[in-house]
Amino acid sequence: QSALTQPRSVSGSPGQSVTISCTGTSSDIGGYNYVSWYQQHPGKAPKFMIYDVSKRPSGVPDRFSGSKSGNTASLTISGLQAEDEADYYCCSYAGSLWVFGGGTKLTVL
Amino acid sequence: EVQLVQSGAEVKKPGDSLKISCKGSGYSFTSYWIGWVRQMPGKGLEWMGIIYPGDSDTRYSPSFQGQVTISADTSISTAYLQWSSLKASDTAMYYCARRSNYLFDYWGQGTLVTVSS
Repeated sequence: QSALTQPRSVSGSPGQSVTISCTGTSSDIGGYNYVSWYQQHPGKAPKFMIYDVSKRPSGVPDRFSGSKSGNTASLTISGLQAEDEADYYCCSYAGSLWVFGGGTKLTVL
Repeated sequence: EVQLVQSGAEVKKPGDSLKISCKGSGYSFTSYWIGWVRQMPGKGLEWMGIIYPGDSDTRYSPSFQGQVTISADTSISTAYLQWSSLKASDTAMYYCARRSNYLFDYWGQGTLVTVSS
């Protein structure tokens, strides 16, 4: 099972929007609506931000949104804030197992 | 409050065996899968495998099958990740995480494993 493909880095200024893509195959992203996104600050454990492609848990700002088209999922962060600077990982169910993306470093300029 | 508390950092030599732990509290330990995730230094997250403590059903990523063993002791609400013969390439942070439906909602603080001669 190969890792999902994410851009290594993205950046944006405060207040702007950024989108992080996550590309898989029909065996993972394309086959299930079970994509989740995790935020990881340096030295910290990951924290889930989005699940089931586009659902947001309580406590996560509505600036974070998720979507999927075919074999590609996306995380959009609008109204960028300094505290959004972190690594972001997508994750997809792939039938009895899970696969993560390689991670994207978000820099808030 | 749901918590996953992992055992402390380990420093081992190549060829050593090791078992690290993840203790769950604040929920029914036997009703949720527990997964393990590796993060090598400066690298991304890698899904290793998962166990359902209720019946010990265990699944492994093909990349980790045969390299590690995942187990659980329901009497003390603890999941384990073990190696029989460590390699330098096993140096990494290891996280446990609780699976809820199809996501991992609660994570342990991580256990740093260093393998060096």
